[in-house]
Amino acid sequence: QVQLVQSGAEVKKPGASVKVSCKVSGHKIIDLSMHWVRQAPGKGLEWMGGFDPEDGETIYAQKFQGRVTMTEDTSTDTAYMELNSLTSEDTAVYYCAALRGFSYGYFDYWGQGPLVTVSS
Amino acid sequence: DIQLTQSPSFLPASVGDRITITCRASQDISSYLAWYQQRPGKVPKLLIYGASILQSGVPSRFSGNRFGTEFTLTISSLQPEDFATYSCQQLNSYPFTFGGGTKVEIK
Repeated sequence: QVQLVQSGAEVKKPGASVKVSCKVSGHKIIDLSMHWVRQAPGKGLEWMGGFDPEDGETIYAQKFQGRVTMTEDTSTDTAYMELNSLTSEDTAVYYCAALRGFSYGYFDYWGQGPLVTVSS
Repeated sequence: DIQLTQSPSFLPASVGDRITITCRASQDISSYLAWYQQRPGKVPKLLIYGASILQSGVPSRFSGNRFGTEFTLTISSLQPEDFATYSCQQLNSYPFTFGGGTKVEIK
């Protein structure tokens, strides 16, 4: 059984950076395609980016290009998402999710999603 | 980017009702569409993938269909635990966009 356990809630000041971790257990991270989805309070889900297993590259949503970095540490089976130059618009719950599926993709494993609050 | 338009945004309903939520894609995404359920304060839960394939463990009252670029999620008989927000997601091409969500509320 795959489990994704994320780091805790964070409070950051505008202009700062945040790095959220996602520890994978029950599977090797190298065999998963990890993605990140965020959800602002009272809003819908927003895909931020993730690893494309076909190209072997990380794809970022254009909205976050240049401001987000997604990495993985295969020695600890942990994924990371770092977001820079935070503004209040970045206040949201940040989920990691595993893209799976042989024919059709889907996210069936999700982390618990820590809240990142950006406030002065 | 592929846009997904979900309707309605809010759906008042009663236990036992049959309800249908629609998700319209701005271009052809084949059947690369998933549906998720999210209860307040909880993590999204996969219900359906491949437009109509029921995820293991999901009750059979949930079903999905595809009609070209229009997709539907139907709950045949609404149960108390089904009052939640439902979102569609396309996985045909990057970015993997989500619909705006449909909140199913108690009438």
